[in-house]
Amino acid sequence: GAVVSQHPSRVICKSGTSVKIECRSLDFQATTMFWYRQFPKQSLMLMATSNEGSKATYEQGVEKDKFLINHASLTLSTLTVTSAHPEDSSFYICSARDESINYGYTFGSGTRLTVV
Amino acid sequence: KQEVTQIPAALSVPEGENLVLNCSFTDSAIYNLQWFRQDPGKGLTSLLLIQSSQREQTSGRLNASLDKSSGRSTLYIAASQPGDSATYLCAVMDSNYQLIWGAGTKLIIKP
Repeated sequence: GAVVSQHPSRVICKSGTSVKIECRSLDFQATTMFWYRQFPKQSLMLMATSNEGSKATYEQGVEKDKFLINHASLTLSTLTVTSAHPEDSSFYICSARDESINYGYTFGSGTRLTVV
Repeated sequence: KQEVTQIPAALSVPEGENLVLNCSFTDSAIYNLQWFRQDPGKGLTSLLLIQSSQREQTSGRLNASLDKSSGRSTLYIAASQPGDSATYLCAVMDSNYQLIWGAGTKLIIKP
């Protein structure tokens, strides 16, 4: 079945540094990938939609200059949290839409980001 | 605007019981509905995907139904086990191919 690989699974960084999270579709091509964020005890919230070869679409309230998204190929999207602050500490999950299975979504395993 | 509601928010039952989780949505114009499972601190696992033209899907002890006209879906778990303890999320894909999420039902199965 469709598999999405997300790395790293956990990362701890210092305030002010940048962190890159990778999301790869291993056995299918994804023209669209999605990035979600989840704070403790809250629902998943869509941050942005990543489109291969074009600019990402950000949800209202998400700073595009802070959360840089690059979707340079059909199998890789990256999310870079720039100048990270403790309030950016969260669980980030990517997903990709595998159109070969009737638009079902496949999710990465998530990245736990802690900014100290 | 599509809204997805899950009831109950939390549920605790003894092992072995059959149980039903509910999901309702306000706009029947959906492409599909998915049920997911999320274990604490981990990513999501897709459980069942029901296309808008389908009425139900089954996988093992899980059965999901969809009544698009009334805006409802149920996830039925038979013979519950402690390993079923997790948060269960439903999400609908709207006409813009966006996923709209429910807040989830936290399920605890007591041994």
